[in-house]
Amino acid sequence: GAGVSQSPRYKVAKRGQDVALRCDPISGHVSLFWYQQALGQGPEFLTYFQNEAQLDKSGLPSDRFFAERPEGSVSTLKIQRTQQEDSAVYLCASSLERGWSPLHFGNGTRLTVT
Amino acid sequence: AQKVTQAQTEISVVEKEDVTLDCVYETRDTTYYLFWYKQPPSGELVFLIRRNSFDEQNEISGRYSWNFQKSTSSFNFTITASQVVDSAVYFCALSEGVDSSYKLIFGSGTRLLVRP
Repeated sequence: GAGVSQSPRYKVAKRGQDVALRCDPISGHVSLFWYQQALGQGPEFLTYFQNEAQLDKSGLPSDRFFAERPEGSVSTLKIQRTQQEDSAVYLCASSLERGWSPLHFGNGTRLTVT
Repeated sequence: AQKVTQAQTEISVVEKEDVTLDCVYETRDTTYYLFWYKQPPSGELVFLIRRNSFDEQNEISGRYSWNFQKSTSSFNFTITASQVVDSAVYFCALSEGVDSSYKLIFGSGTRLLVRP
């Protein structure tokens, strides 16, 4: 497809389980971002990759959150020992250039921790 | 500290009415960027506009227009002759400086409902 693809679309996890969320950016896009969007709120920055390098992870809320992009394309956001407060929509976005270019967002993964 | 405030939680209008979505921002940087994004029910955020802090010219794109006023730290968005397809959540966002210009700070959004 032409857009940013995220999977799964929905994920239900029991508290304490580990989850992995996948993002397929637009082919050739250098930059990749993860955002967390709580219900009724705006997205909040989690982390930023330029190719395979994670340049900023200042938004990750705890050391239970880990993101990788080993080959500079597909990225995975992993959450260990999920907690109820992790319930949110996780949005991935990519952009073409190292400098600014419009972010293209995926539809997100809605994570519900029970 | 940087912050974006969208005081209008939800707006409901009848089709063909004009509607203005308010955005007020706070930043200490002199170089910053302001954005508007649209989030339809499908969930993806769609980029609408980006303005830098040195360009206060208002912009018009079809039925959309934006009014940037540094004196009041506002970047308001007006939809003229609204249509049902405009129904979505609209987010205003800010990024600061040069080194961290990639990091968007979003407001809490305004849900716009356009009724036929």
